[in-house]
Amino acid sequence: SQTIHQWPATLVQPVGSPLSLECTVEGTSNPNLYWYRQAAGRGLQLLFYSVGIGQISSEVPQNLSASRPQDRQFILSSKKLLLSDSGFYLCACKPGYGYTFGSGTRLTVV
Amino acid sequence: QQQVKQSPQSLIVQKGGISIINCAYENTAFDYFPWYQQFPGKGPALLIAIRPDVSEKKEGRFTISFNKSAKQFSLHIMDSQPGDSATYFCAASRGYGGATNKLIFGTGTLLAVQP
Repeated sequence: SQTIHQWPATLVQPVGSPLSLECTVEGTSNPNLYWYRQAAGRGLQLLFYSVGIGQISSEVPQNLSASRPQDRQFILSSKKLLLSDSGFYLCACKPGYGYTFGSGTRLTVV
Repeated sequence: QQQVKQSPQSLIVQKGGISIINCAYENTAFDYFPWYQQFPGKGPALLIAIRPDVSEKKEGRFTISFNKSAKQFSLHIMDSQPGDSATYFCAASRGYGGATNKLIFGTGTLLAVQP
């Protein structure tokens, strides 16, 4: 079975600072990878997905970007954080029909 | 057409009672309907899932009921326990494999089971 590692678990960053969240996957090769954001008390919004190294698709226009430098590594970045970037960020992989989620990163932009 | 509508937004159930969460979809091409359970500060975890070729699937105290003609599906939690208190998400997707067959999530239901 797949395991997804996300770090850090929590992060407090000032407005205008850069961001880098990392996700790595174990137990599968060539997975489809996803970044979701969950605002407080709300559902899951798909931000990016990737079907392979260097292949990134964006679902919504935003202040964030994603990269996939290795098969099982997915990175979420920002050059300058906004207050509205606060939220719970989840990485997921899709080995078949269902998704496996990581434990998430709680980002607070202050 | 891509939306999955989930209700209620929150639910309070007494211990031992039945919790029922409902979802509705529009896209008839959807063929996979999972439910995810999320505890505070954790990522969602797959709880149970159903394909449209069956009308019901049961795993322990958790049952999915599926009504293809009405385009609705629901989660029933029998003998609800305080440990079931969590946020539940329904979801739907089309096809197998390929990142473009994305899971579309409902907005979530916060379940509180009172002892």
